[in-house]
Amino acid sequence: AQKITQTQPGMFVQEKEAVTLDCTYDTSDPSYGLFWYKQPSSGEMIFLIYQGSYDQQNATEGRYSLNFQKARKSANLVISASQLGDSAMYFCAMSDNQAGTALIFGKGTTLSVSS
Amino acid sequence: DAMVIQNPRYQVTQFGKPVTLSCSQTLNHNVMYWYQQKSSQAPKLLFHYYDKDFNNEADTPDNFQSRRPNTSFCFLDIRSPGLGDAAMYLCATSRDLTGVSGANVLTFGAGSRLTVL
Repeated sequence: AQKITQTQPGMFVQEKEAVTLDCTYDTSDPSYGLFWYKQPSSGEMIFLIYQGSYDQQNATEGRYSLNFQKARKSANLVISASQLGDSAMYFCAMSDNQAGTALIFGKGTTLSVSS
Repeated sequence: DAMVIQNPRYQVTQFGKPVTLSCSQTLNHNVMYWYQQKSSQAPKLLFHYYDKDFNNEADTPDNFQSRRPNTSFCFLDIRSPGLGDAAMYLCATSRDLTGVSGANVLTFGAGSRLTVL
């Protein structure tokens, strides 16, 4: 069965520093997609970045990059130059052909950015 | 801007009193989903519609029902809410069913937070 693991319940970082949020996954399907979402205290899930299992390069979107290590089944999110507005819950999620379009979420990591 | 709108944002109901949450979208997406997210937990898929085709997750309680009268609207009905149903309910949409594509990213609404007294 598909599984997403986020082992860091909380992370703390200072403004302008980089931070890495860990995510490991498990699937037997060779074709899958990995997603990161941000959920501020307001509740809305905001899409950040996507990585396909066949993508040769790591995905990047502005200050967000995904460190994709396929052999280790990890898809860590790297946020560069943290800002106060980055304080939120971050979810790693996966979809594969068995799950179809339904995303399977990890338990999330709470990121706190201080000045 | 195209978006997903959920109403109400906050709903308080009494134990056993039916409640309906609504979701509308201007994205013209084929697929609409309902997720339940309890405090400090991952969102859990309850069901989804692909167009008019309804797909219920195996472990979704019968207490939860859904309706999609047209492309734009989807409703979540909780027939007899219990204390354990207190949660954030998230509606999401995607263009198509295939999730293994960056083109089919789920777009979420802001959520409806349900309190059961």
